[in-house]
Amino acid sequence: EVQLLESGGGLVQPGGSLKLSCAASGFTFSTYAMSWVRQAPGKGVEWVSSISGSVGSTYYADSVKGRFAISRDSSKNTVYLQMNNLRAEDTAVYYCAKDGILGSIRPYYFDYWGQGTLVTVSS
Amino acid sequence: SSVLTQPPSVSVAPGKTATITCGGNNIGDIGVHWYQQKPGQAPVLVIYYDSDRPSGIPERFSGSNSGNTATLTIGRVEAGDEADYYCQVWDTNSDHLVFGGGTKLTVL
Repeated sequence: EVQLLESGGGLVQPGGSLKLSCAASGFTFSTYAMSWVRQAPGKGVEWVSSISGSVGSTYYADSVKGRFAISRDSSKNTVYLQMNNLRAEDTAVYYCAKDGILGSIRPYYFDYWGQGTLVTVSS
Repeated sequence: SSVLTQPPSVSVAPGKTATITCGGNNIGDIGVHWYQQKPGQAPVLVIYYDSDRPSGIPERFSGSNSGNTATLTIGRVEAGDEADYYCQVWDTNSDHLVFGGGTKLTVL
């Protein structure tokens, strides 16, 4: 059974940093691209970032490029999202998602999602 | 990057058919994926590559994609289908993944 468990969310002041983690199990982690998707309160879902399984290619939404960094550790079956210079508009539930295509070097679609972790940016 | 346009809301009576559209420039040339999200829950994939259904998704859910419009169709709608629905594509021009704004399906 595929499981994705996010952690690391919380309250942070504007300009601060936070690192999210997503522990994966139930599939061969290194062979799938992984992504982060967020949802601001009462809003739609928004893609944030993705990382390929093998070569480590990374992709970012314009809204976070230069502030956020995605990475993965296949020895720990974990994907991370380092978030720096946080803004109020980054307040959202952050979901970790697994790609549906084996061996993908870029994201296609998400066949499994975690339950999300809430990030609140406020003074 | 691509802009995907969905109607904010669709209403349908139980037992009838719901149609949710996703508009985009030449969207018929690329694969479209659909997600269902119920309140307080993570999204769930219901259709991938225009018309394929993941295991466990009822046959009542179907999809099509042509020209500038992709469509999610839900037949014999049930109260449990009430949710937000999002379309999604990969924009090869910008290397960005794009979601539509979402459609709230209300079962009357």
